[in-house]
Amino acid sequence: EDQVTQSPEALRLQEGESSSLNCSYTVSGLRGLFWYRQDPGKGPEFLFTLYSAGEEKEKERLKATLTKKESFLHITAPKPEDSATYLCAVQGPGSARQLTFGSGTQLTVLP
Amino acid sequence: DAGVIQSPRHEVTEMGQEVTLRCKPISGHNSLFWYRQTMMRGLELLIYFNNNVPIDDSGMPEDRFSAKMPNASFSTLKIQPSEPRDSAVYFCASSFASQETQYFGPGTRLLVL
Repeated sequence: EDQVTQSPEALRLQEGESSSLNCSYTVSGLRGLFWYRQDPGKGPEFLFTLYSAGEEKEKERLKATLTKKESFLHITAPKPEDSATYLCAVQGPGSARQLTFGSGTQLTVLP
Repeated sequence: DAGVIQSPRHEVTEMGQEVTLRCKPISGHNSLFWYRQTMMRGLELLIYFNNNVPIDDSGMPEDRFSAKMPNASFSTLKIQPSEPRDSAVYFCASSFASQETQYFGPGTRLLVL
């Protein structure tokens, strides 16, 4: 059974204070690892897909990296508008496209 | 380009009543997913359709839940009879068959009293 564990559960940062969120996963044959952002009262918003160890993707202040066991979402010089819950999900092998989600990291960036 | 559309956005009902949630996927997407999100269990997949055909409904909690996709642009999730423990946010997501990324709708917040 696919498993995803995200840490920390909650993170408070000062504006400009860089940090990283962790996503540890167990899946037999990773097809893809996904990062989403979710704002209160809204649906998850797609950020990145990573497919193989060593891959990196960037978008503004966010950079996602992937190893064989975990993924990191690095946030550089965050701003208050980066405050949200960040969700990690994995997709296993086979024809199915189900995503298994972690419980998320709630990020608060203080001005 | 419109994203995934869900209705209603909020639903308050009494225990025992029938609830129907609706979803319109992104035009051209041929995979559709229904998820439920709660504080205790996070995001859980309920059922997945490909080309309007249910592929995996192993996440549907019990027989009170049913889902249909009569055509490529519409799906429903029905709960009959509803119970207080069904209170959650229900999301619909869609994707292209050849791509893996799922795009989520805004969700329906359901409260069963």
